[in-house]
Amino acid sequence: DTGVSQNPRHKITKRGQNVTFRCDPISEHNRLYWYRQTLGQGPEFLTYFQNEAQLEKSRLLSDRFSAERPKGSFSTLEIQRTEQGDSAMYLCASSRGQNYGYTFGSGTRLTVV
Amino acid sequence: EDKVVQSPLSLVVHEGDTVTLNCSYEVTNFRSLLWYKQEKKAPTFLFMLTSSGIEKKSGRLSSILDKKELSSILNITATQTGDSAIYLCAVLSGNTPLVFGKGTRLSVIA
Repeated sequence: DTGVSQNPRHKITKRGQNVTFRCDPISEHNRLYWYRQTLGQGPEFLTYFQNEAQLEKSRLLSDRFSAERPKGSFSTLEIQRTEQGDSAMYLCASSRGQNYGYTFGSGTRLTVV
Repeated sequence: EDKVVQSPLSLVVHEGDTVTLNCSYEVTNFRSLLWYKQEKKAPTFLFMLTSSGIEKKSGRLSSILDKKELSSILNITATQTGDSAIYLCAVLSGNTPLVFGKGTRLSVIA
């Protein structure tokens, strides 16, 4: 069990640029979640996958956001045409299933300048 | 819409004090309540409480679920500076992913 791995750890980008983050979950976990956390807030749900199927997307996930988990293993989260309001910590988590707790990665901190 | 509310939002105590953090929830089809500790980055799991396991304890930390009052408390006894962190409460309900509260920022000063 190597834990949930996220890359990069930090990303600074100019407004309008596209960014992509990667998450590698714990290998035997079939569920993968993306959350966003801003200062003074708890993590807010964005989307989740069971294996390769994207089962739910939050209304927070605008059209500029897209997530994939092509082979049911790692996942990517892409933000197109970044805005300053996208600056946040993006957390990935995985779990064995619906009734299990989540294991979180260390997050990717995005700063849009 | 599912809701999780934590109180207080921040707390400063001296080493050795006992603290109680509160979490209340309004969700449909409650399944479980989880506590996480977040220091610098990743939230780390502390406890999961369900209808069949309403009280958990690990060292100086303990937690109780009150299903009647739709709430939970997290107790930390004999606090240490290493307990300084944000404590997050989250609820699993129905088929929805974890819903988190805003967290309680605990600062323990020597």
